Amino acid sequence: KAGVTQTPRYLIKTRGQQVTLSCSPISGHRSVSWYQQTPGQGLQFLFEYFSETQRNKGNFPGRFSGRQFSNSRSEMNVSTLELGDSALYLCASSLEGGPMSPLHFGNGTRLTVT
Amino acid sequence: AQSVTQPDIHITVSEGASLELRCNYSYGATPYLFWYVQSPGQGLQLLLKYFSGDTLVQGIKGFEAEFKRSQSSFNLRKPSVHWSDAAEYFCAVGALGAGSYQLTFGKGTKLSVIP
Repeated sequence: KAGVTQTPRYLIKTRGQQVTLSCSPISGHRSVSWYQQTPGQGLQFLFEYFSETQRNKGNFPGRFSGRQFSNSRSEMNVSTLELGDSALYLCASSLEGGPMSPLHFGNGTRLTVT
Repeated sequence: AQSVTQPDIHITVSEGASLELRCNYSYGATPYLFWYVQSPGQGLQLLLKYFSGDTLVQGIKGFEAEFKRSQSSFNLRKPSVHWSDAAEYFCAVGALGAGSYQLTFGKGTKLSVIP
C-alpha cells in the first residue's frame, strides 16, 4: 500500500506570494492532518480534515487554510507569505482520526520564503 | 490544555549502549501517549503507543516505553543502540476535548550514535 505522498518536496517563494501544498493520504484513510515543523517551535498542529470537513484547527492565522476533496486528498494554502512561514509542512493521514487511528506521515514539503 | 516536555534536546550514546529518552506530559485525564521517530529528510514514523492496560509497551525496532502515572512520564528505552537509530525522537500526547481530538508533540530529542 502506498504511503502518504506530499508534493512538491521543496518550494521557494517570495514574501507576499501564496502557496498551495498537496497531500495524498493512504488509500482508505479519511482523516488528513497538517503540521508545521520549525526548529524553534517544533511540530505545531494546523488543522484536520475528515470527509471534506475541517474537524479541528490549531492556533494559526487565517492566512493558513486547507481543504479536502471527496477522494480524501487534501491541500493547504498559505496566502501573503511571511519569512516566518519557512518550515517543513507535514501531512499525516489516519483511518478515522482520533487516538485509535495512529497517524501516518508523509515526508513533508520544505517551504522557504525569501 | 495538554503539553509535552522532552528535557533533553540532544543525547549522544555509543553504539551498543543502552538508551533512555525522557518524556513528561501534562494532561488532566488518562492520556493517549505516543513515540515517533524522524530520520533526516523524512516524515515521522510511529514507534509505539500507550492507551491503557500494561504500562510497559513494546514497539518496533526494539524500543519499549513505560507509562508512570505518578510521575506523568512516558520514557522511551532501548537496551542496545544501533548506529541506524540516530534520528530525532518525538513524544506526543493525544487528548479528547469538545468533540475533537488533537495530538500535541514535544520539541524532540536528537539522538547521535558514536560507532
